[in-house]
Amino acid sequence: GQQVMQIPQYQHVQEGEDFTTYCNSSTTLSNIQWYKQRPGGHPVFLIQLVKSGEVKKQKRLTFQFGEAKKNSSLHITATQTTDVGTYFCAGYSGTYKYIFGTGTRLKVLA
Amino acid sequence: KAGVTQTPRYLIKTRGQQVTLSCSPISGHRSVSWYQQTPGQGLQFLFEYFSETQRNKGNFPGRFSGRQFSNSRSEMNVSTLELGDSALYLCASTLRLGGDLSSGANVLTFGAGSRLTVL
Repeated sequence: GQQVMQIPQYQHVQEGEDFTTYCNSSTTLSNIQWYKQRPGGHPVFLIQLVKSGEVKKQKRLTFQFGEAKKNSSLHITATQTTDVGTYFCAGYSGTYKYIFGTGTRLKVLA
Repeated sequence: KAGVTQTPRYLIKTRGQQVTLSCSPISGHRSVSWYQQTPGQGLQFLFEYFSETQRNKGNFPGRFSGRQFSNSRSEMNVSTLELGDSALYLCASTLRLGGDLSSGANVLTFGAGSRLTVL
């Protein structure tokens, strides 16, 4: 069945360093969404990408959707302690379900 | 507007018992999806309902079932609980899953979850 993998599984960075998480799907996706889950919380929507090669920015966060629509990345510039949490990608390829990636847990050291 | 409400937030059960979890979606949202979250497996899709119809089901045993009511509220049931069923159960509502995938109608809004512990 469809699988969505994310790397790395964990990332510890010093505050101010950059961070990137990568998402790879075994199948072509119709769209991809990114979510952030703070410790003890629930996933919260960040952004949605639909077009091949699409790039979107939200302040220090940059999201990309691959040309083949099978991979995506999230890059955070100059991390802050408020960026702590687990970042998930979620891919949709039809059939009324989003498949979530395995997640990348980010820890920011002050 | 009110968010997605899940009840109960925490519950403890013993093996062999059954449990029912409830999810009230955002007003106007007609699609409800359920996920199981565990440290080792991440978020695993359980099922999706739209207008009282189950449109998709994940790879879980028949002990896991669900339903949706005419007001879009949804319940899931787990029978004959096993230790491995201990998890955070999350429901998410959307305006309309599928359709125009470039629209915000496909954004999943999650509830706070129901944390189930099976002893």
